[in-house]
Amino acid sequence: GESVGLHLPTLSVQEGDNSIINCAYSNSASDYFIWYKQESGKGPQFIIDIRSNMDKRQGQRVTVLLNKTVKHLSLQIAATQPGDSAVYFCAELVGGSYIPTFGRGTSLIVHP
Amino acid sequence: DAGVTQSPTHLIKTRGQQVTLRCSPKSGHDTVSWYQQALGQGPQFIFQYYEEEERQRGNFPDRFSGHQFPNYSSELNVNALLLGDSALYLCASSPDRKNTEAFFGQGTRLTVV
Repeated sequence: GESVGLHLPTLSVQEGDNSIINCAYSNSASDYFIWYKQESGKGPQFIIDIRSNMDKRQGQRVTVLLNKTVKHLSLQIAATQPGDSAVYFCAELVGGSYIPTFGRGTSLIVHP
Repeated sequence: DAGVTQSPTHLIKTRGQQVTLRCSPKSGHDTVSWYQQALGQGPQFIFQYYEEEERQRGNFPDRFSGHQFPNYSSELNVNALLLGDSALYLCASSPDRKNTEAFFGQGTRLTVV
């Protein structure tokens, strides 16, 4: 079946830098996307979501961009902090079934 | 609010045995979904329970079964364990079946030897 994938398995940044985590999806029927943060020993934690009728959504220090033309999703974290170190997953959901499909994840390492 | 709680946190079983994992949903949530997360991978949807019935199922064999109780808590059962069943099993609860407001528990780490 179609799946969600991430371009970079590991991203290392310095504290204070901006981070960008990318995600490619291939199911054109997906109409809802979620970014999750998973810290070691914990379950995934909701960060931000976006519906397919939007191309940008902002939260506190985070922004999600959606490019449906190239089926690409990104998560931007401003002023990255050591507490942002975690694995980040994007998940796509198709309306009607709402079964989330997760990508492999990107490990974000923030150096103080 | 304790959020989503799972038990046990860690478990070691022998190949061929059976295991039961438990989940209590977040207060106010009536829908529970289970996921399997292999090391280095994203979670994979196993199934979803609502009103004590399995409503949706992912691509998992019949060895994986579940139950939801009247208080919305849930169990995941795996029979005839295989080495490949070793993984983190996550439970997520949500206020509806759309999974768009899902809260995850910390998971149960199952090791099959």
